[in-house]
Amino acid sequence: QSALTQPASVSGSPGQSITISCTGISSDVGGYNYVSWYQQHPGKAPKLLIYDVINRPSGVSNRFSGSKSGNTASLTISGLQAEDEADYYCSSYTSSSTQYVFGTGTKVTVL
Amino acid sequence: QVQLVESGGGVVQPGRSLRLSCAASGFTFSNYGMHWVRQAPGKGLEWVAVISHDESNKYYPDSVKGRFTISRDNSKNTLYLQMNSLRPEDTAVYYCAKRGALFDFDYWGQGTLVTVSS
Repeated sequence: QSALTQPASVSGSPGQSITISCTGISSDVGGYNYVSWYQQHPGKAPKLLIYDVINRPSGVSNRFSGSKSGNTASLTISGLQAEDEADYYCSSYTSSSTQYVFGTGTKVTVL
Repeated sequence: QVQLVESGGGVVQPGRSLRLSCAASGFTFSNYGMHWVRQAPGKGLEWVAVISHDESNKYYPDSVKGRFTISRDNSKNTLYLQMNSLRPEDTAVYYCAKRGALFDFDYWGQGTLVTVSS
């Protein structure tokens, strides 16, 4: 089971919106609405931002939103802030023996 | 509030064993599935194991199947990962994580570093 494909880096200016893609196949992202997104600051544990493609846990800013089309899921960060500079990972359930697969990770830089 | 605290990491020689622990608090541990996820230095996240709330189901990726064993003690609110036949490529920070809605990880510990080196 290969990792889901994410862009290595995405950047934006404060206040702008950016979108991070997460591309899989029909046996993971495309086949199930079980995509989640995580934010990880350097040296820290990941934090859940989005689950089941579009749902935000309580306490997560509504500047973070998720969507999916076919085999590609997306995380959009609106009103970009300096504190959003971090690594972001997607994850999906997969019907392969692996069960869970993560994305390759995207470094977000706030210019 | 939910707290997950890992321990047991360290430096170990290839081929040896190590057991990690994760002490949970702030939620009813016996009601939730739990995971181990690892992150090699400078690399991405890799799922390592999952155990159901009652220990009836356990799953692993091929990379650790047959070498790693996940277990739990609900009376002690503690999750374990027994790692045998360790390889240099097992070097990573190991996180325990609580199962969220279904196939997500809603709370994570701070991680414990395992270094496999001679």
